[in-house]
Amino acid sequence: DGGITQSPKYLFRKEGQNVTLSCEQNLNHDAMYWYRQDPGQGLRLIYYSQIVNDFQKGDIAEGYSVSREKKESFPLTVTSAQKNPTAFYLCASSIGISHKVQFFGPGTRLTVL
Amino acid sequence: DQQVKQNSPSLSVQEGRISILNCDYTNSMFDYFLWYKKYPAEGPTFLISISSIKDKNEDGRFTVFLNKSAKHLSLHIVPSQPGDSAVYFCAARGSSNTGKLIFGQGTTLQVKP
Repeated sequence: DGGITQSPKYLFRKEGQNVTLSCEQNLNHDAMYWYRQDPGQGLRLIYYSQIVNDFQKGDIAEGYSVSREKKESFPLTVTSAQKNPTAFYLCASSIGISHKVQFFGPGTRLTVL
Repeated sequence: DQQVKQNSPSLSVQEGRISILNCDYTNSMFDYFLWYKKYPAEGPTFLISISSIKDKNEDGRFTVFLNKSAKHLSLHIVPSQPGDSAVYFCAARGSSNTGKLIFGQGTTLQVKP
């Protein structure tokens, strides 16, 4: 049963702590993405990766970091430098970077207290 | 600068009638447009798409229309069903090199039984 897994669904952290959100896909997709959704806003691109060991900044990369050591995995670290980290985080993947349709995971709701 | 706009935050429609969701964009270089459906606390699911070289694409109850001269696209759902109640996002692809999707703010559709 192929898909994208994000865990946990809800995450709470204290201000000043780094936190890593996991994203795993078994779709054999080359490209992976991280988006952030805030209330009343569309999804905004944080980082994307075309292939293993390569990733690029999106529109709102400040305060975030990623790694892509395996094709299946694209974890996102929300650092203490991110000024407003509380949000709904969505991971997506596509067959390749030029493929039009991205498929999304269920999301992680991060709340920083 | 919002390149993709959904100016109606919400829409309420009676079951069996037509739902029309609208989306405007500013960049004439967008080459592909997509509609996603999203339930609360879940990831968006792909619904339907259209290439910029076409003006209509149909899939079952869902039809997307593209008016390039007006930089406007719309999603028609007919007949509307209560299960269609969700947030609908339109998205535009900025470049095939990055795969970057630019999302609108979303429109919440409520279909009343």
